[in-house]
Amino acid sequence: AQKITQTQPGMFVQEKEAVTLDCTYDTSDPSYGLFWYKQPSSGEMIFLIYQGSYDQQNATEGRYSLNFQKARKSANLVISASQLGDSAMYFCAMRELGIQVGKLIFGQGTELSVKP
Amino acid sequence: DADVTQTPRNRITKTGKRIMLECSQTKGHDRMYWYRQDPGLGLRLIYYSFDVKDINKGEISDGYSVSRQAQAKFSLSLESAIPNQTALYFCATSEIQGAGSGIGETQYFGPGTRLLVL
Repeated sequence: AQKITQTQPGMFVQEKEAVTLDCTYDTSDPSYGLFWYKQPSSGEMIFLIYQGSYDQQNATEGRYSLNFQKARKSANLVISASQLGDSAMYFCAMRELGIQVGKLIFGQGTELSVKP
Repeated sequence: DADVTQTPRNRITKTGKRIMLECSQTKGHDRMYWYRQDPGLGLRLIYYSFDVKDINKGEISDGYSVSRQAQAKFSLSLESAIPNQTALYFCATSEIQGAGSGIGETQYFGPGTRLLVL
């Protein structure tokens, strides 16, 4: 079974508007961390934001926020005021507390295109 | 200068050849990882190392080997390259945060190596 599911292969958003990228996860471990990474066309993987399973508040980093709904097992990324430079692939990832602490499990990614 | 560097950035090789991908980091992190990325499959873990004496297989280690020469260096080898090893390869590093579970530790990625096996 997929541990991380990103159901949107591609998304379009108008510049300056907000966009939500979906991520659902599957784990029976009560302790886990959720991450979002950005991969522009140049290929590098850029860390954006982190949410811990015990965190009481949703994580925010500048224009990025994570809409964490634990009961629904979802960790959606919200980008406010989209910019042309936000066009990229976005990956959701999870780390569980278990035998292989440190191992990140990635979703398949969502390609975001920002229109001028 | 980049904190995590990978060499080469691009490589074309032939089936059966042995090749090595190198990763160096200046972040002082103990933990290092090798991932491969294939279109539509996200990133998958090949090997990881929590310190110089600790090396572990990831989910797709067959056909690969690694060497942790020092805290700052972690190399990935393809002993006999085959076409389905054509992919984008990433090295990543992270540091242990205190005595906790490490759930919150962030992995920082190198720029990637594009490998084509003909």
